[in-house]
Amino acid sequence: QQQVKQSPQSLIVQKGGISIINCAYENTAFDYFPWYQQFPGKGPALLIAIRPDVSEKKEGRFTISFNKSAKQFSLHIMDSQPGDSATYFCAATNAGGTSYGKLTFGQGTILTVHP
Amino acid sequence: DADVTQTPRNRITKTGKRIMLECSQTKGHDRMYWYRQDPGLGLRLIYYSFDVKDINKGEISDGYSVSRQAQAKFSLSLESAIPNQTALYFCATSDLGLTGSSYNEQFFGPGTRLTVL
Repeated sequence: QQQVKQSPQSLIVQKGGISIINCAYENTAFDYFPWYQQFPGKGPALLIAIRPDVSEKKEGRFTISFNKSAKQFSLHIMDSQPGDSATYFCAATNAGGTSYGKLTFGQGTILTVHP
Repeated sequence: DADVTQTPRNRITKTGKRIMLECSQTKGHDRMYWYRQDPGLGLRLIYYSFDVKDINKGEISDGYSVSRQAQAKFSLSLESAIPNQTALYFCATSDLGLTGSSYNEQFFGPGTRLTVL
């Protein structure tokens, strides 16, 4: 079963626009939520992450918004650039449990930013 | 990343053949993982190892086996390959705990594209 559901599967945005990718989780024990970015021909790499003690985390043009009661979190890319074109994965883990260190990934979103 | 290498990068094989994918890392991490990536399904965990003596099944381990030969080496085997094992395979490593603001960040290799005919 997929414990982290990600949408949309693909997204096309114009340069300068805002890209929004959403994820929802089921396991209330999850307490760490990273986003990974994957360029074609490469492995995924950590982009930004959040813990549920805050509702938002911002790093440059990338922001994670977190809604614990709704069990949802999202990635916002402001002023999207063609260089942001990549596949984005949300993930979740339970830092304090027996699955400590194991990440459960969402299905991925292919983002295309047109010039 | 050059710190995590995978061989081969591409492989075409036939149904029923045994195949091994290899992963080596120079990051000094104890934890290693094997994932497969399929369009629309994301990354799914096949096996993971938290140290040399520790091997654990992931969510899709059927049809696969692994060997942790050393801290730096973790191999994935397909004993009898079948076409629905055609996918992109990634090895990843991680350390324990916090590194800066990144908790248990996983570092991925470049991937192996496997085609089973």
